[in-house]
Amino acid sequence: AQSVAQPEDQVNVAEGNPLTVKCTYSVSGNPYLFWYVQYPNRGLQFLLKYITGDNLVKGSYGFEAEFNKSQTSFHLKKPSALVSDSALYFCAVRDITSSASKIIFGSGTRLSIRP
Amino acid sequence: DTAVSQTPKYLVTQMGNDKSIKCEQNLGHDTMYWYKQDSKKFLKIMFSYNNKELIINETVPNRFSPKSPDKAHLNLHINSLELGDSAVYFCASSQGSGGYTFGSGTRLTVV
Repeated sequence: AQSVAQPEDQVNVAEGNPLTVKCTYSVSGNPYLFWYVQYPNRGLQFLLKYITGDNLVKGSYGFEAEFNKSQTSFHLKKPSALVSDSALYFCAVRDITSSASKIIFGSGTRLSIRP
Repeated sequence: DTAVSQTPKYLVTQMGNDKSIKCEQNLGHDTMYWYKQDSKKFLKIMFSYNNKELIINETVPNRFSPKSPDKAHLNLHINSLELGDSAVYFCASSQGSGGYTFGSGTRLTVV
């Protein structure tokens, strides 16, 4: 069975500082990994994904994530946080070796950037 | 322009009523989904259809019945609504093994 964990309910960062939102996953086969962002009263927006290839994936709004197979992690990072980055972030995993596989979402991490 | 559209955006109804939420995607995707987001923001998959065929049916009360008249539409009908059904329901679509494109959600409030 696949699962994904986001150990932090909330991350607080000062504007201009680097940010990291943590994610670990568990799948029986090879994972597809995703990050989504949800702004208040909005749907989820796709940020980036890892399928194969380079472990460092670049996405929208200056975000990037690093796939680490040995640690089964896919942490989201940004070198310099903006106040407008404040939102709810979801990590998600899909087991590509399973037929009819579905994306499983983590519990979400609320990112708060203070001016 | 809208890729995945849901209607209505807000739905307030009394316990015991029957209601439907509609979803349409114009992306040409083969697969569509319904997710439920509870008050703690946890997202849980409910159903998935691929080319009008049900492929994922999670443990959901049988009061919830999805219907896919064609691959661009996936509607959700809910019978005998209960207070616990109050949540935000998201429709999504995907093609192949990529990520999902989500609709903006339907906030259902049962009173």
